This record gives sequence, structure tokens and C-alpha cells, in this order.
Amino acid sequence: NAGVTQTPKFRILKIGQSMTLQCTQDMNHNYMYWYRQDPGMGLKLIYYSVGAGITDKGEVPNGYNVSRSTTEDFPLRLELAAPSQTSVYFCASSPPDKTFGSGTRLTVV
Amino acid sequence: QKEVEQNSGPLSVPEGAIASLNCTYSDRGSQSFFWYRQYSGKSPELIMFIYSNGDKEDGRFTAQLNKASQYVSLLIRDSQPSDSATYLCAVRRSNDYKLSFGAGTTVTVRA
Repeated sequence: NAGVTQTPKFRILKIGQSMTLQCTQDMNHNYMYWYRQDPGMGLKLIYYSVGAGITDKGEVPNGYNVSRSTTEDFPLRLELAAPSQTSVYFCASSPPDKTFGSGTRLTVV
Repeated sequence: QKEVEQNSGPLSVPEGAIASLNCTYSDRGSQSFFWYRQYSGKSPELIMFIYSNGDKEDGRFTAQLNKASQYVSLLIRDSQPSDSATYLCAVRRSNDYKLSFGAGTTVTVRA
């Protein structure tokens, strides 16, 4: 039982590049979430999903896209990376409580 | 007004003392309240949740909720150096699985 697995752990992108952050959970949780955390700040919800095929925007969705084709996977796509997307990204799943992945530290230069 | 506000910190307490963390929230529809601990460079981990007014104790941690005052707190008794971390308060409405997080309070326990 690995919980929530995120890859990669670190990534440096150039402005305008695209990438996909991977998130997989093996707990058969219906709910999955993507958050970003900027230094000294709490977590901001980017997108969430209540089940396969169902996704919705959170507080800060601009510049991101998601898909949920299976219960296990919830990838986050960054299109046209910008310096403002430099952050630490956490994937999480629930219920009964939110189990977080180990995070992806992304730098856009 | 921010949806969830925490005392800004950092909070420095001597080993063995009580650390008191405060959190206020603006949405009266909030029903569930969570405290997460986040060590530097790590992901948040859930340490307490509380749904009803009053106190809830788990080991050295006590969560206190006052919905009328829109206030939730976390007490850490007998603080240990291993408690040094950032503590995040989060709230959720009853029909919503989304959490709103505060910015966190950093606690340092001095040996």
C-alpha cells in the first residue's frame, strides 16, 4: 500500500514549456485533489475530482488542466509554464481524510 | 477577509511547555475542522480533526472548537523538539469535500 505517489519530485522548466505532474493512489479513494503551496503560504486548491471522469476547478485553476480517466490516476498538466507557477505541488486523496503525496517542487525559469 | 486565518507566528516555546495555536474562519457554513502538521520540505500530515463544539484530545494534542465565535485552536502539551513544524488549520463546509487552508503557524520548541 503505497498511498499517494507523485512524480517527479523536482523539475525545472523553461518559460513556455509544458509538463505533466503525475499522481497515483492505491487506496481506491474517489476524491482526489491538486494543491499548490507557495513559500510561507497555505495550500491553494487547483483542481479536484470526485470520481473517474469528473473534475472541477478549485481556487487557482488558470494555467492548469486535469483529467481523471481512472480512480487511481489524476495527472496535472501545465501548459505554457510561467514563473508564477513556481511552487510546490501536492496531490491528495480522501476520504476519510486527506492523504498527501510527497510533493513536486517545480521551478520555472 | 481571508477565509481561514491563523496567528502569524513564528511561535517559540520551551521544551515541556504548552504551545497554543489559533485559527479563525469566516464561513459560518464550515462544519469540519482539521489540523495538519508539516515538517520543513515535507507534505502535510493530519494530526487532529474536530466536528463538534468543545474539546477533543488525542495524546498531547487538544483541539478546541467554538462555532459561535468561529474559532478553532490546537494545544500541544509537553512540547517536544520533534513538534517543531508548521501547523496548518483547514476548514470544510458540510456538503463540500474541498478544504480551505490557513497560511500556517510555525512552531519552534527550544530544548
